[in-house]
Amino acid sequence: AQSVTQPDIHITVSEGASLELRCNYSYGATPYLFWYVQSPGQGLQLLLKYFSGDTLVQGIKGFEAEFKRSQSSFNLRKPSVHWSDAAEYFCAVGGAGTYKYIFGTGTRLKVLA
Amino acid sequence: GAVVSQHPSRVICKSGTSVKIECRSLDFQATTMFWYRQFPKKSLMLMATSNEGSKATYEQGVEKDKFLINHASLTLSTLTVTSAHPEDSSFYICSARDLTGVGHNEQFFGPGTRLTVL
Repeated sequence: AQSVTQPDIHITVSEGASLELRCNYSYGATPYLFWYVQSPGQGLQLLLKYFSGDTLVQGIKGFEAEFKRSQSSFNLRKPSVHWSDAAEYFCAVGGAGTYKYIFGTGTRLKVLA
Repeated sequence: GAVVSQHPSRVICKSGTSVKIECRSLDFQATTMFWYRQFPKKSLMLMATSNEGSKATYEQGVEKDKFLINHASLTLSTLTVTSAHPEDSSFYICSARDLTGVGHNEQFFGPGTRLTVL
């Protein structure tokens, strides 16, 4: 079955600390992977995406993610978190031959001043 | 590029009335649009896939007579919540797939519509 797992429902970090949000997927074909951020009451903003090629992907706002096929993971990282990064983060998987996305359940990030 | 808009951004209606939400791709053509529903503090649930000029494909458990979807042009899809009830209150998000781009089936998301049914 196709699925996306975000094991951490909530994460709290101090401003300036590093961040890693986990995402594991189960997908029968070559996956296309995405990370989105959502502020309260807002839509989704694409942070970064992976289709093929270099497995380390750079995104906006200083975020990066690494695709590890052997671990079926696509973890999101940021070396130094800012208070404005507090939001909900969603990992999603899609793929060739299907237009549908499968979303993870999200990780809510809280940033302490 | 690849901007998707939704209108209205917020709507409050009385129970029993119908509400229409528009989703537009502003700078590209979209043969396929998607409608999602998001409950508070929950993830996005795909409701239906909307194809231009044909009937929408609904996900299991979604009432097609309750949630009417029309995709009359390559830039517009509408979701009508018929005979709305308080349990239909939710955040509805649409997305669109670029027909001509090389986005690998990438979806571009609208800003969402907050529906509150009193």
